[in-house]
Amino acid sequence: GAGVSQSPRYKVAKRGQDVALRCDPISGHVSLFWYQQALGQGPEFLTYFQNEAQLDKSGLPSDRFFAERPEGSVSTLKIQRTQQEDSAVYLCASSLYPPGLNSPLHFGNGTRLTVT
Amino acid sequence: GQQVMQIPQYQHVQEGEDFTTYCNSSTTLSNIQWYKQRPGGHPVFLIQLVKSGEVKKQKRLTFQFGEAKKNSSLHITATQTTDVGTYFCAGAGGTSYGKLTFGQGTILTVHP
Repeated sequence: GAGVSQSPRYKVAKRGQDVALRCDPISGHVSLFWYQQALGQGPEFLTYFQNEAQLDKSGLPSDRFFAERPEGSVSTLKIQRTQQEDSAVYLCASSLYPPGLNSPLHFGNGTRLTVT
Repeated sequence: GQQVMQIPQYQHVQEGEDFTTYCNSSTTLSNIQWYKQRPGGHPVFLIQLVKSGEVKKQKRLTFQFGEAKKNSSLHITATQTTDVGTYFCAGAGGTSYGKLTFGQGTILTVHP
């Protein structure tokens, strides 16, 4: 079946622009995660949704970052007034069950954001 | 907060040699997962360990979870060029509901 789909694959933004990154999880997956991966580093947690509820947003770096999943399926990560330090790959992952049931994450291919 | 450290950062081996990467958490974990990321790709789930002292094998790969559930290792026997990539451990537990904390990864290169 289809995996996690992210768009766009690449995004170049000028400093100060707003960007919106989309994630289409595997159908029926309850949990959705956003991670940020800098070059040569492991993924860093940003936020977690269980269905439409955002249960953990402790990893969002600043109030310029906002995520939503209004209908419990597609999710959007929005970054306002982008800064150069926002340049990274943004990974979306979904899993079938809530995290307490130890289900693995299925990652999308990510969106590579470059802020110039 | 929870920290997950992974060593070594890089490992270069000749094809046929063995490879091991180690993962240590600052807190006790409820479970640990391992992922592989090929160059230019995304992390792909390999395995999950839940029980103290658990050992799991997948062909040439052996995964261990420590007795205290704070450390883990991945051992590859007789590496092949297809093993090239970055191996990440990711731990869940403590008060970090919903959050997997990834290690910084071990980059494996295999020379034919």
